[in-house]
Amino acid sequence: GNSVTQMEGPVTLSEEAFLTINCTYTATGYPSLFWYVQYPGEGLQLLLKATKADDKGSNKGFEATYRKETTSFHLEKGSVQVSDSAVYFCALIDNQAGTALIFGKGTTLSVSS
Amino acid sequence: SQTIHQWPATLVQPVGSPLSLECTVEGTSNPNLYWYRQAAGRGLQLLFYSVGIGQISSEVPQNLSASRPQDRQFILSSKKLLLSDSGFYLCAWSVGGGYGYTFGSGTRLTVV
Repeated sequence: GNSVTQMEGPVTLSEEAFLTINCTYTATGYPSLFWYVQYPGEGLQLLLKATKADDKGSNKGFEATYRKETTSFHLEKGSVQVSDSAVYFCALIDNQAGTALIFGKGTTLSVSS
Repeated sequence: SQTIHQWPATLVQPVGSPLSLECTVEGTSNPNLYWYRQAAGRGLQLLFYSVGIGQISSEVPQNLSASRPQDRQFILSSKKLLLSDSGFYLCAWSVGGGYGYTFGSGTRLTVV
């Protein structure tokens, strides 16, 4: 079946550090891939997405590249800020199977000044 | 523009009491609607989804039910809450496929 695996958190970084949050997926079809962010006490917001292999999604300095050969969609940011502290969720929709959005367990990022 | 409303924001209910959480969407027609639950340490679990009025699919057998009485209204209910029903409940809508979902602001439910 379809699934998403994220690196375990929490991830603790200093301001301006480089961020990588790993995400790999398993899908029977050709999924679209997403990163969502949840700030403290809030719902989820779409951060970025990629709908086919080799696509790069980017937003707010974050980026992730859809790698079909490694079934990965790692989230990166060159210089994190305190305001980036949140929970990050990797997710997929298997377009062929018509499934609902499937999430990883989430990775908590804490950035200190 | 499309918006999604979810209420209440927080709720404290005793064990055995009923539950009704409401979600409404504005600015779109015939959306796909979803209820997710986020429990501590367990990520986001899909509970129900609906592709049309009166059409409900359940992903996980449990103490909850869902209904869609109108095109843009999705209700999560329980007749008798359990302690294990505590969590953060999120409603979402989509037009399907690779467009992603738009989430409501969530309801924090604590069953005591």
